[in-house]
Amino acid sequence: AQSVTQLGSHVSVSEGALVLLRCNYSSSVPPYLFWYVQYPNQGLQLLLKYTSAATLVKGINGFEAEFKKSETSFHLTKPSAHMSDAAEYFCAVSDRPSSASKIIFGSGTRLSIRP
Amino acid sequence: DTGVSQDPRHKITKRGQNVTFRCDPISEHNRLYWYRQTLGQGPEFLTYFQNEAQLEKSRLLSDRFSAERPKGSFSTLEIQRTEQGDSAMYLCASSLGVRGQNTEAFFGQGTRLTVV
Repeated sequence: AQSVTQLGSHVSVSEGALVLLRCNYSSSVPPYLFWYVQYPNQGLQLLLKYTSAATLVKGINGFEAEFKKSETSFHLTKPSAHMSDAAEYFCAVSDRPSSASKIIFGSGTRLSIRP
Repeated sequence: DTGVSQDPRHKITKRGQNVTFRCDPISEHNRLYWYRQTLGQGPEFLTYFQNEAQLEKSRLLSDRFSAERPKGSFSTLEIQRTEQGDSAMYLCASSLGVRGQNTEAFFGQGTRLTVV
């Protein structure tokens, strides 16, 4: 069975500081991994996805994530936080290359940005 | 195209009533998905259509839930005899699946159901 664990339900950083959102996965097959962002009263938007190509994946809005098999991790980072980054972030895992078919989501991390 | 559209955005219903939600996917997308998201949790997969065929159903989809996509375009999700535990955000997503691959899925803004 596949699962993801997001460490920290709420992360707060200062504007301009490094953003680090942690995600660990469990999968019996090579996983496909995703990060989604959800703004208040909005649907989910795909930030980036890992599908067994490069281990460092670059996404939209300056975010990137690195797949580390030895650590079973797929942490999301951004060098410099912006106020507009405040949102809920979900890590997700799938056994298929599509971005939405039996995707298993983590419980989410709410990112707050301090001025 | 305005993206994935869901209607209504909010629904308050009394326990025991039936409710129906509608999802209009992006027009050329042949795949359509329903998810449920409860407060403080990530979305949970409910079911998935390719064109009009319902290909997968989660065990979360009890017999009180039924989803249809009769003409391979819009979809409806009906919940019969609603219970307070059905209160959640119901999300719809669509994607274009071609030759075993799938494009990015686009999510609607969701329908928030409150059962009182």
